[in-house]
Amino acid sequence: DTGVSQDPRHKITKRGQNVTFRCDPISEHNRLYWYRQTLGQGPEFLTYFQNEAQLEKSRLLSDRFSAERPKGSFSTLEIQRTEQGDSAMYLCASSASRKGKDTQYFGPGTRLTVL
Amino acid sequence: GESVGLHLPTLSVQEGDNSIINCAYSNSASDYFIWYKQESGKGPQFIIDIRSNMDKRQGQRVTVLLNKTVKHLSLQIAATQPGDSAVYFCAENSAKAAGNKLTFGGGTRVLVKP
Repeated sequence: DTGVSQDPRHKITKRGQNVTFRCDPISEHNRLYWYRQTLGQGPEFLTYFQNEAQLEKSRLLSDRFSAERPKGSFSTLEIQRTEQGDSAMYLCASSASRKGKDTQYFGPGTRLTVL
Repeated sequence: GESVGLHLPTLSVQEGDNSIINCAYSNSASDYFIWYKQESGKGPQFIIDIRSNMDKRQGQRVTVLLNKTVKHLSLQIAATQPGDSAVYFCAENSAKAAGNKLTFGGGTRVLVKP
């Protein structure tokens, strides 16, 4: 399978715990994105990387959230001191930047439940 | 499986009929638009895209129409099949804006009746 992969697919944690999610993009894609999706809503942008550089972060990304892409390949999203409001599907997408067109392909997501 | 959207507008369509899903966008600077399909428990799946210099684009059984004057996008699915049952999202992007984030619409659930 050469698509975007995410791990784990499901995570249940207690409030206050830290969690980390991993995303492996499509291999030739230099851009990687994180989105969050709650039930009944479309995905909301969190942050994106071009290669290893984090170029934009949404205001949704509080201080408890941090994302890395150390070698320009896989990325991790960490949430510290989780809160019940963090419960959501966390989606990763990747794209190969081309002039005027940036088609993003999504992974299956990580469903986070904070108890 | 879990539901992608519990309170989404729903389009019920008979198998074999055509479906039309509509989307309004607000950012006049948006110049690239994508339709995604999302099945329960899965990530959004790319269906078709269109740039703002076009008003129509066709794929396999799908057609996207773009009306920039009224900021309206539609997805037409021909001969709808049970496998088309899902939530459909439109998304927009502006190459001129800082960053490359997609802004998603609210989604429409399509239910195909056998």
